[in-house]
Amino acid sequence: AQKVIQVWSTASRQEGEELTLDCSYETSQVLYHLFWYKHLLSGEMVFLIRQMSSSTAKERSGRYSVVFQKSLKSISLVISALQPDDSGKYFCALWEHGTNAYKVIFGKGTHLHVLP
Amino acid sequence: EAAVTQSPRNKVTVTGGNVTLSCRQTNSHNYMYWYRQDTGHGLRLIHYSYGAGNLQIGDVPDGYKATRTTQEDFFLLLELASPSQTSLYFCASSDKGANTEVFFGKGTRLTVV
Repeated sequence: AQKVIQVWSTASRQEGEELTLDCSYETSQVLYHLFWYKHLLSGEMVFLIRQMSSSTAKERSGRYSVVFQKSLKSISLVISALQPDDSGKYFCALWEHGTNAYKVIFGKGTHLHVLP
Repeated sequence: EAAVTQSPRNKVTVTGGNVTLSCRQTNSHNYMYWYRQDTGHGLRLIHYSYGAGNLQIGDVPDGYKATRTTQEDFFLLLELASPSQTSLYFCASSDKGANTEVFFGKGTRLTVV
C-alpha cells in the first residue's frame, strides 16, 4: 500500500495565483519528518521545505509554506504568487524514525503548469 | 551548497548491455543513494550506502549492483540491461541520513532498447 499519496497528478494555475498541493501519508511512528521537493524542468531536484512531526510551527520558506494537519495525516504545500518558473513536478516525501530510518518514501508527484 | 554530479546525463544501450552510472558528491556526506523515477511510481530507492565500502539494499534492487569506492563516489551497475530498466536515475547524498535534507544530482536518463 502506498504510504505517501499525492492525489493530483497534474495542476494548472495562472501566474500570480496561489496553489495548494495536497499530500496524505501513513505512518505508525511518533517521530517522522515530511518533505517537499521540486523536480525542475532543467532536471534538478531541489529541497523546498521540511515539517517535523514534533513541531507545531507553521513552516515557511519564502513563497512556500505548509499546512500540517497531524491528526489527519495530511500535509499541504502552499505556493503563493505563482510564477512560470514554479512549473515542474512536486514530490511529497516521508521519513520515519525506526527501522526505515535509512530512507525517504516519495509520493508519485504532481506536475504543476503555471501559465503566464 | 552540496554538489552531486552524475554522469552520463543520457545513455542509450541495448538489451543485455552493460551500463555503469557514476555519481560524485563533493560535500563529504556520509549517505549516498540511487533512486529511479518512473511515471506513476515517484522515486524508488535502489541501493544506498553510509560510507566507503558499505552497501545497503533498497526497495527495488533486482537487476542492479552498486559500489561505494570512496566517500565521494557511488556507482550503479546494470550488468544485463533490460527494457524495464529504462528510467530516470537520481543519485543523492545527505549528511546525517534521510531525516535531513537530501541533495540530488540532475539525473541520468537511461534508455534500454
